Amino acid sequence: GAGVSQSPSNKVTEKGKDVELRCDPISGHTALYWYRQRLGQGLEFLIYFQGNSAPDKSGLPSDRFSAERTGESVSTLTIQRTQQEDSAVYLCASTPPLQETQYFGPGTRLLVL
Amino acid sequence: QKEVEQDPGPLSVPEGAIVSLNCTYSNSAFQYFMWYRQYSRKGPELLMYTYSSGNKEDGRFTAQVDKSSKYISLFIRDSQPSDSATYLCAMIPSGAGSYQLTFGKGTKLSVIP
Repeated sequence: GAGVSQSPSNKVTEKGKDVELRCDPISGHTALYWYRQRLGQGLEFLIYFQGNSAPDKSGLPSDRFSAERTGESVSTLTIQRTQQEDSAVYLCASTPPLQETQYFGPGTRLLVL
Repeated sequence: QKEVEQDPGPLSVPEGAIVSLNCTYSNSAFQYFMWYRQYSRKGPELLMYTYSSGNKEDGRFTAQVDKSSKYISLFIRDSQPSDSATYLCAMIPSGAGSYQLTFGKGTKLSVIP
């Protein structure tokens, strides 16, 4: 079946611009997660959605980062006034109800010039 | 001390070798343990999932958990060039925050034909 999809796959932007990243989870998966993976680093947790509510936003690095989710479907991660240190791969994952295992999308590679 | 420590490698082995990948952790609340494989420019793919001490085998892969030592391992038998990837250990605590994966930095493995 279809896996988690993310768009765009690559994004190059100028410092100071806003970017919007999209995640389509696996159908029926209730939980959705965003992670950031910087070059040579492990995955950093950003935010977790259960349905369309976000009980844990503790990983968002600054108030320039925000995310929303429509029902148990698409999620968007928005980064305002991008900085060079925002350059990373942004990964989305989803989880079926009552399970712990997370299934990842291919990621969006963001480069801020 | 980071919650999860993983030797980043790189690790290079000849085809057919047995590979041992390891992670240590400090948080005794971690109860669920996973290994992900990440090919270059792809999202992490779940390889093994365990929640009890002991061994779990799946084909050429064996996951081992020692909760008393806070140490987990992934063994790959008869390694193949297609096993060349970065291997990430990940853990989830029980109780509060039981959705948030904490990752090691990953070990980059190259299997040489």
